[in-house]
Amino acid sequence: DVKVTQSSRYLVKRTGEKVFLECVQDMDHENMFWYRQDPGLGLRLIYFSYDVKMKEKGDIPEGYSVSREKKERFSLILESASTNQTSMYLCASSPWDSQNEKLFFGSGTQLSVL
Amino acid sequence: AQTVTQSQPEMSVQEAETVTLSCTYDTSESNYYLFWYKQPPSRQMILVIRQEAYKQQNATENRFSVNFQKAAKSFSLKISDSQLGDTAMYFCAFMKGFGNEKLTFGTGTRLTIIP
Repeated sequence: DVKVTQSSRYLVKRTGEKVFLECVQDMDHENMFWYRQDPGLGLRLIYFSYDVKMKEKGDIPEGYSVSREKKERFSLILESASTNQTSMYLCASSPWDSQNEKLFFGSGTQLSVL
Repeated sequence: AQTVTQSQPEMSVQEAETVTLSCTYDTSESNYYLFWYKQPPSRQMILVIRQEAYKQQNATENRFSVNFQKAAKSFSLKISDSQLGDTAMYFCAFMKGFGNEKLTFGTGTRLTIIP
């Protein structure tokens, strides 16, 4: 089975801290995505990547950056965490030829910024 | 830009009954895919069912079926013989075209199955 692993299930950080959310997939997928999930807003795409060292902005990239140095790992970076970034963060991956139909999700990281 | 609307934030139904979750979308695209995802309390998002816009036949996966009305831009999910394990958040999602396009999600419907 495909596994998408997010390093932390719960995370508590302070305002202004630099925060790294890590995501690793074990199926050699080309595509990787970061979403945030908020009540009443659904899932919104932050950033995505179709290849190593490649990144594209999603719908809400402000305040975030990403890194993809290796194919299996896609990191989301909050340069200076703010309280409005308190949210559930979901990582997903899919193979290039899936036309994104076959998205595999991690179990999410609930981030609280105090 | 595409939008996906789920107008039912919460629903509940007795076990073994049938429930329908609604979803409408807005797009000018002619080629697209529609999806229903399930997110149980474990938070793991799972694909329930998908529908290609060019197919007139409604998709079915065991107890899950869709009512796809392309002209009305409606894509509802019917769950038959509901089970306690169906308790979850359900998200409707849209993807345009046939290539590597991103998914646009609705706001979700929290479904509770009552024993």
